Amino acid sequence: NAGVTQTPKFRVLKTGQSMTLLCAQDMNHEYMYWYRQDPGMGLRLIHYSVGEGTTAKGEVPDGYNVSRLKKQNFLLGLESAAPSQTSVYFCASRPRRDTTYEQYFGPGTRLTVT
Amino acid sequence: QQPVQSPQAVILREGEDAVINCSSSKALYSVHWYRQKHGEAPVFLMILLKGGEQKGHDKISASFNEKKQQSSLYLTASQLSYSGTYFCGTSDWKDFGNEKLTFGTGTRLTIIP
Repeated sequence: NAGVTQTPKFRVLKTGQSMTLLCAQDMNHEYMYWYRQDPGMGLRLIHYSVGEGTTAKGEVPDGYNVSRLKKQNFLLGLESAAPSQTSVYFCASRPRRDTTYEQYFGPGTRLTVT
Repeated sequence: QQPVQSPQAVILREGEDAVINCSSSKALYSVHWYRQKHGEAPVFLMILLKGGEQKGHDKISASFNEKKQQSSLYLTASQLSYSGTYFCGTSDWKDFGNEKLTFGTGTRLTIIP
């Protein structure tokens, strides 16, 4: 199993450009999450999904959209990138029936907006 | 609101003990601990639930004081491999039901030989 993978690993955008980050998991997990990590801020939840076709807002959803058309994929979109969105983005997933409640994280995407 | 972790950073010699604290202003239902090594993804350590037992494995353990809305992570006889940034993730009853966690800002632990 590949676990949780993220595409791309690195990206540089100009202000106003758009892009989509892809998160894929092959563990048949129901729950998926997008976080951003900034120095000194820890991990902050952007959006999450509790199942195929459903999404919900986290702490910092402004400027981002998400879609979960397939159970294994969770897409994060930036419609008009801003320098404040420069960050490392992590995707995570976990199964519904799991007493440990462990979230499995992907390797991250480093995004720079100039 | 993000939980507050203390200390923000700590440097220890191999073999020394460390305590990392996590405090919340909300009534907590669960506390989750993760460790992240530089340039890598966070990795799950353990979860503590309200009313549950203190958890631990090997030389890393944690406690959950529900009344004080605090959790502490204990690392005894630290090893070089313990270096990294430790995050607590918390949820109240509603967030737990919604499968949401709020992470603290992290504690950077450096172990030197």
